[in-house]
Amino acid sequence: EPEVTQTPSHQVTQMGQEVILRCVPISNHLYFYWYRQILGQKVEFLVSFYNNEISEKSEIFDDQFSVERPDGSNFTLKIRSTKLEDSAMYFCASTGTGAYEQYFGPGTRLTVT
Amino acid sequence: AQSVTQLGSHVSVSEGALVLLRCNYSSSVPPYLFWYVQYPNQGLQLLLKYTSAATLVKGINDFEAEFKKSETSFHLTKPSAHMSDAAEYFCAVSYTGRRALTFGSGTRLQVQP
Repeated sequence: EPEVTQTPSHQVTQMGQEVILRCVPISNHLYFYWYRQILGQKVEFLVSFYNNEISEKSEIFDDQFSVERPDGSNFTLKIRSTKLEDSAMYFCASTGTGAYEQYFGPGTRLTVT
Repeated sequence: AQSVTQLGSHVSVSEGALVLLRCNYSSSVPPYLFWYVQYPNQGLQLLLKYTSAATLVKGINDFEAEFKKSETSFHLTKPSAHMSDAAEYFCAVSYTGRRALTFGSGTRLQVQP
């Protein structure tokens, strides 16, 4: 069964450093998303991406964040200058054409020290 | 704006007992509703979805949910709990034109032997 994959599973970085989280969505899906879950809190929407552009973003997704689909399979989330409060589990998800259900990857746990 | 309320952050049932996890939503337009399950250290797995077809929706592992517009509810049920059902369950909502999911706070289900 096709699935969303994410790498790395755990990333530790120092405050102020740049990080790139990687995702490979399900191959025939066209809508891509990033969410985050701070420990003990709700899953929060960050951004959605379709047709090589951001289609929607939340207020969390400020200028420190960017997304890219560098090739036909990868979808990345970059945080330019990490802060302690960026420590969270980051989930990638994707959706097929004509559907609304999102399929999630296993997540990347980002720890900022 | 849309929102999701999950009543009960923790629910404990005995093995073989009925599982009932509550979800109420707020949406000014017809919603799409989803239940996801998260096992420890794993991603979010789609259990079932409501996308304006049948109001009683069946999902994986004998879970089902009923969309009740008059009560703005989408409660998740399972007739007989199994030890393997112990996990965190999230209700989420989106709607036509906005694919971003808004999640509830989650309900942790414990199953006692």
